[in-house]
Formats: sequence, structure tokens, C-alpha cells
Amino acid sequence: EVQLVESGGGLVQPGGSLRLSCVVSGITLSDHSMDWVRQAPGKGLEWVGRSRNRAESYSTEYAASVKGRFIISRDDSRNSLYLQMNNLKIEDTAVYHCVGLIMDVWGKGATVTVSS
Amino acid sequence: DIQMTQSPSAMSASIGDRVSITCRASQDISNNLAWYQQRPGKVPKRLIYDASNLESGVPARFSGSGSGAEFTFTISSLQPEDFATYYCLQHKIYPRTFGQGTKVEVK
Repeated sequence: EVQLVESGGGLVQPGGSLRLSCVVSGITLSDHSMDWVRQAPGKGLEWVGRSRNRAESYSTEYAASVKGRFIISRDDSRNSLYLQMNNLKIEDTAVYHCVGLIMDVWGKGATVTVSS
Repeated sequence: DIQMTQSPSAMSASIGDRVSITCRASQDISNNLAWYQQRPGKVPKRLIYDASNLESGVPARFSGSGSGAEFTFTISSLQPEDFATYYCLQHKIYPRTFGQGTKVEVK
């Protein structure tokens, strides 16, 4: 069974940084592209970005709203995916899900609150 | 970016009703569209992939159709467990984009 477990959420001031982690089990992470999807309170789903698999050189894609501020990385040896979030804005407040979109596997999410 | 316009944003329906939701893409996405169901407090679950293919284990009352820029998701006979929010997602081009969601509520 594939499981994704996020951690690292919390309260941060505008302009601050936060790093989310996602521990992946049940698959060989290097074989899979992985995504981050967020959902602001009471709002819809927003795709944040993707880290492609080793065969695709771990290349990344980002939503326009986070490009230049967020960085997706991974450590396959630790079965982990990361989301480094810099220069956070109030509108980044959301639950952030680690997702294997192709497999349709979702983590329960980590809550990020950006507030002064 | 491709904009996905989903309608309606909310609807009220009764058990046994036929329910349809539409997603329009701002450009041709072929059949690169999926439909998700999200129940309150739960993570989304994909019901339909490649516009019209039913995920394994998903009841046959759910269906999807369309290609190019216009897509329809249908529940043929609404059941109590179907009251939820539904989203479309285009995966033709980056960035991926979701529709705004359709909340199906009890009438």
C-alpha cells in the first residue's frame, strides 16, 4: 500500500519561509513523479507543482502563483519529497497535500498558516 | 495557462436524480481530463481518467464524456454518498489546472 505522510506545517509570518516534507512508502520514489496540491480554507484545489521521476531527470514544474518562491526537491534515499516555501504570502495559507497524481494517492496534508 | 471553467459551482439535487457537471477548457486538451470527488474532510478521489474511463471500483452510475475543450461528468442516479464536491483537472499542459469545483448538496 502506498502511503504519503506530510509534516512541517505551521504558522509563519508573511515573508517567512517553511519547508514541508513528505515521506513516501510502498513505492520506489525514484520511479515516480510526485506533485504538491493545496487547498485554501473553504476553497478549491490548486496544483502547486511537480517533481518528475529519475527517468525524466527529476525536472520540476510550478504553478505561476508560486514560481520563483517555492522549490520542490526530493531525496530518494530517504523516500522523501520536499516543498521549500519562501517569501510566503497570506494567500499561501492552505492545506498542502503531497500527491502521486498519476497513481491517485494523496497524503492527508500539512496545514500552513501565513499570518502576522 | 489553461483555464478550466466548471459549472455549476453548486447544485441541489435529490436521491435518484441525474446530475451533470460541465468543464470547459480555454484550449484544446484532447482527452487529458480527470474528474475527482471530494467528500467533506477527506482527500480527493479520482473517479474518471482520460475524460471517459471509469476508475476501478467506481460505481457505474458515474460517467464522463467529451474531448477537446468541453467535458461532462454525469451521475445517473444520485446516491446518499454522492453528496460531495467534484473537480475536473486538465493534465495536458503545465501548469495543471483544476476547475473551481461543483458542490452537490441535498435538495
